Amino acid sequence: GIQVEQSPPDLILQEGANSTLRCNFSDSVNNLQWFHQNPWGQLINLFYIPSGTKQNGRLSATTVATERYSLLYISSSQTTDSGVYFCAVEQNNAGKSTFGDGTTLTVKP
Amino acid sequence: DVKVTQSSRYLVKRTGEKVFLECVQDMDHENMFWYRQDPGLGLRLIYFSYDVKMKEKGDIPEGYSVSREKKERFSLILESASTNQTSMYLCASSYGLGWAAGNTIYFGEGSWLTVV
Repeated sequence: GIQVEQSPPDLILQEGANSTLRCNFSDSVNNLQWFHQNPWGQLINLFYIPSGTKQNGRLSATTVATERYSLLYISSSQTTDSGVYFCAVEQNNAGKSTFGDGTTLTVKP
Repeated sequence: DVKVTQSSRYLVKRTGEKVFLECVQDMDHENMFWYRQDPGLGLRLIYFSYDVKMKEKGDIPEGYSVSREKKERFSLILESASTNQTSMYLCASSYGLGWAAGNTIYFGEGSWLTVV
């Protein structure tokens, strides 16, 4: 099956710093989403981004489907950005998704 | 706002017990999912359902079954719980089969199951 690799696995930042999270996938995909899981376990969708670039406030994401990677940018990080960021892909619109192992982000005040 | 509610936040069960994890969504979503999350392994799909009484195996269905008798409710069943099923279980729902722009998947808050 498709492999989804996220890097780095862990990231510690000072508040106000910028960061880039990467997601590589081993095969072509129809769909890709980024999620944030807060320290209490709640997962929230951040972006649906099978290709191109999107921005939402301090967060933006870019997917280069032909090169099989996606990037999530966090600017001016805040302590509330802490948690785990997951990339997930879907290959054939059949409901099955594959998640990466996640990047654990800690933002220190 | 979409709400996906998992009936139990924390459970402790004994080896061999039958365990039911219940999930209810309030947005008339067609698709419902059960994932398992373990440290360092991300989320792994156990089963999903795209309609009432329909179910599809995910990547790790062994040791689990599911039930979807009503559109809003999707149950995960551990027929005989084992210690290697200690994990966090996440339910999710979405509208329509497959992802598409605007077809966001919504997650519940998770159920932490410990099997002793």
